[in-house]
Amino acid sequence: AQSVTQPDIHITVSEGASLELRCNYSYGATPYLFWYVQSPGQGLQLLLKYFSGDTLVQGIKGFEAEFKRSQSSFNLRKPSVHWSDAAEYFCAVGAKEYGNKLVFGAGTILRVKS
Amino acid sequence: GAVVSQHPSWVICKSGTSVKIECRSLDFQATTMFWYRQFPKQSLMLMATSNEGSKATYEQGVEKDKFLINHASLTLSTLTVTSAHPEDSSFYICSAKAGTANIQYFGAGTRLSVL
Repeated sequence: AQSVTQPDIHITVSEGASLELRCNYSYGATPYLFWYVQSPGQGLQLLLKYFSGDTLVQGIKGFEAEFKRSQSSFNLRKPSVHWSDAAEYFCAVGAKEYGNKLVFGAGTILRVKS
Repeated sequence: GAVVSQHPSWVICKSGTSVKIECRSLDFQATTMFWYRQFPKQSLMLMATSNEGSKATYEQGVEKDKFLINHASLTLSTLTVTSAHPEDSSFYICSAKAGTANIQYFGAGTRLSVL
């Protein structure tokens, strides 16, 4: 069965510090990978996506993620966190073989301290 | 571009009544729309996939007679929660994708509270 694991439920970082949010997946097909961000009471905004090609992808708001097939991971990074980055982050995986339906991780809540 | 509008953003209803939630793609044609449910502090769970002009495909465990989905046009899908009960209270989010593109764009969600 397809699954997505985000090991960290909460992460707290200081403003200006670097950030890495972890995502591991188990999928029986070539995956498409996404990171979305959700502010409280809001829908999801796409940060970045990986379909194929260069395994380091750049997204909006200064985020990037690296696809590592050998580790089945797609970790999200940002070199310097801003207070406005505080939100919940979801990793999601889809595949053409599964009708492009997305399976989401449980989410990681990011807190930014000043 | 790629804006998805969801309405209403918040609805309170009495137990036993029905509630309709609309999901519109404002600047693209959505051949496929998805409906998700999100419980507090949990992730999104796919309820159903809706293709324009055809019946929705429901995920296992989702009652199709309780959650009626209509996708009558390329820009509008509706979810009707019939005979709502307090356990149906949740955050419902729709998403839409165009053609063969593999990106889903999400609405802002609807918070349903059933009293």
